[in-house]
Amino acid sequence: AQKVTQAQTEISVVEKEDVTLDCVYETRDTTYYLFWYKQPPSGELVFLIRRNSFDEQNEISGRYSWNFQKSTSSFNFTITASQVVDSAVYFCALDQNSGYALNFGKGTSLLVTP
Amino acid sequence: NAGVTQTPKFRVLKTGQSMTLLCAQDMNHEYMYWYRQDPGMGLRLIHYSVGEGTTAKGEVPDGYNVSRLKKQNFLLGLESAAPSQTSVYFCASSYSGTRNIQYFGAGTRLSVL
Repeated sequence: AQKVTQAQTEISVVEKEDVTLDCVYETRDTTYYLFWYKQPPSGELVFLIRRNSFDEQNEISGRYSWNFQKSTSSFNFTITASQVVDSAVYFCALDQNSGYALNFGKGTSLLVTP
Repeated sequence: NAGVTQTPKFRVLKTGQSMTLLCAQDMNHEYMYWYRQDPGMGLRLIHYSVGEGTTAKGEVPDGYNVSRLKKQNFLLGLESAAPSQTSVYFCASSYSGTRNIQYFGAGTRLSVL
């Protein structure tokens, strides 16, 4: 069975701190894709990144970075020098065998205070 | 760019009433999806469509029906609303070839009393 676990329900940090959001997944597929989405207080879901199972290179986009490790089935997300605008719920997701839908984790709520 | 548009944004229903949620996308995506989001549950797939005229059940399809008469529209219907259907509903769409980069609408917040 495919499963995504985001063990951190809520995280609170002070602005400018670095924060890492954990994502652990389970799958029997050898080819799969992992995603991160952001849901700000306004409610919409914003796509952040997609990573396939054959590409274990870490990725950096501005203050955001992602660490994909197949050996530990993890796809962690780090925000460097957090800002108040980073406050949101972040979802990790795994594509399903059918390729027709995403299997979402339950999300991590991040609060960044000034 | 409109992207994925959901209407209405908010709705309150009484138990037993029916309603239809509309999703429209202007990105010429083949695939469309309906999810529901409940506190502590993440997003769960209700129904999806891989093309005009085709629909399929997702993880939690009971109590819902869908139709995809036009490529750009995906309708979600509740024939007899129940309090358990109180949720936030999200529509998403994607190209068939990009392995599920799904683009989401802003959501519809539904309360069933």
